[in-house]
Amino acid sequence: GAVVSQHPSRVICKSGTSVKIECRSLDFQATTMFWYRQFPKKSLMLMATSNEGSKATYEQGVEKDKFLINHASLTLSTLTVTSAHPEDSSFYICSASFEDRGEQYFGPGTRLTVT
Amino acid sequence: GQNIDQPTEMTATEGAIVQINCTYQTSGFNGLFWYQQHAGEAPTFLSYNVLDGLEEKGRFSSFLSRSKGYSYLLLKELQMKDSASYLCASEDSNYQLIWGAGTKLIIKP
Repeated sequence: GAVVSQHPSRVICKSGTSVKIECRSLDFQATTMFWYRQFPKKSLMLMATSNEGSKATYEQGVEKDKFLINHASLTLSTLTVTSAHPEDSSFYICSASFEDRGEQYFGPGTRLTVT
Repeated sequence: GQNIDQPTEMTATEGAIVQINCTYQTSGFNGLFWYQQHAGEAPTFLSYNVLDGLEEKGRFSSFLSRSKGYSYLLLKELQMKDSASYLCASEDSNYQLIWGAGTKLIIKP
């Protein structure tokens, strides 16, 4: 149980375009979903926390207009990278939990390459 | 299928040593991560093993055996602040991460 999927697993897009990444909890209802970015030294940076039906809470330094997060249902959250630039190329990972401070279940990640 | 197994919970005593095991079965293998996560916080990167053997970083060491699909995280001189969840994640041939469910480590005085 507690499986989280992400789609697509990898995407290549041109600079200036927008890309949407989906995060789904397959066998449970996720009240909270988290979006992370993994940097080359393998550290994970929390970008934002989203609760179903409400606006996402962004971490300091993360542009909310650039990284649009929608948590439309208890099983789906989306991250849209708008007007992507090469520096946005990274590995984006989502996680989901039953409650705000509960155990998190991680997705496999989405590798974004902006050319 | 792809699978990662690690114990759900472990208890250890302050000042002691604890070893958290992780076994994995993935489609190809590009490396294995260990993260520490305190409740309500983002995971903190601990180690990334690609080659067989032991890598030591202060009080924490990580071991990998690719032929056995096995890794462990060794924590020495345990401190109360080491109480956390420890996540094992394997990177498959597509560089996707397969996550374990995490091991909750409880440290007792």
